Amino acid sequence: GQQLNQSPQSMFIQEGEDVSMNCTSSSIFNTWLWYKQDPGEGPVLLIALYKAGELTSNGRLTAQFGITRKDSFLNISASIPSDVGIYFCAGLRTSGSRLTFGEGTQLTVNP
Amino acid sequence: EAEVAQSPRYKITEKSQAVAFWCDPISGHATLYWYRQILGQGPELLVQFQDESVVDDSQLPKDRFSAERLKGVDSTLKIQPAELGDSAMYLCASSSTYGNTIYFGEGSWLTVV
Repeated sequence: GQQLNQSPQSMFIQEGEDVSMNCTSSSIFNTWLWYKQDPGEGPVLLIALYKAGELTSNGRLTAQFGITRKDSFLNISASIPSDVGIYFCAGLRTSGSRLTFGEGTQLTVNP
Repeated sequence: EAEVAQSPRYKITEKSQAVAFWCDPISGHATLYWYRQILGQGPELLVQFQDESVVDDSQLPKDRFSAERLKGVDSTLKIQPAELGDSAMYLCASSSTYGNTIYFGEGSWLTVV
């Protein structure tokens, strides 16, 4: 079963607002991946984090690999309607191991 | 940009029938994964291949599910017989050998009626 706690479960925001979501675990991961999934589509990789403390940006998205290696955060700045979707965090304990997913954060952006 | 290809995108089948899904990973990716995603949940691993060998199939219901990757490139996931509870999205993903960046295909939606 899933071992990553992702929050919040859902968010309803106005266009232009910033968004933050996070993922926590009771165990250590060596890689954190953040995906976005649109309805009926597969997850699309947004950001990959490979080192504790790492802060990585991809356009308006910024993600951080927690120092303890047990958490990760994703921030979206100046949200736009096309940011709507489900955001999943996923962790890898070691390269080639099973990818563990969080429960997802459903983001709704009101124009 | 290289992608993971999957087919069919949508499949409706009657229970007790057989169904198969095909996946072609990103060129050069030796590791291939099949995940199942139930609506409202995150994907869960069914089987992982390294080249043509299965390295993790602990979550695969082997009484009805089978997967193969005969030449270490494309892969087929089969369900026989299909049950109502198998209705889900079946996702294929790939990475470089023991890589830590995993890319997903668009998925195959299965509805069992």
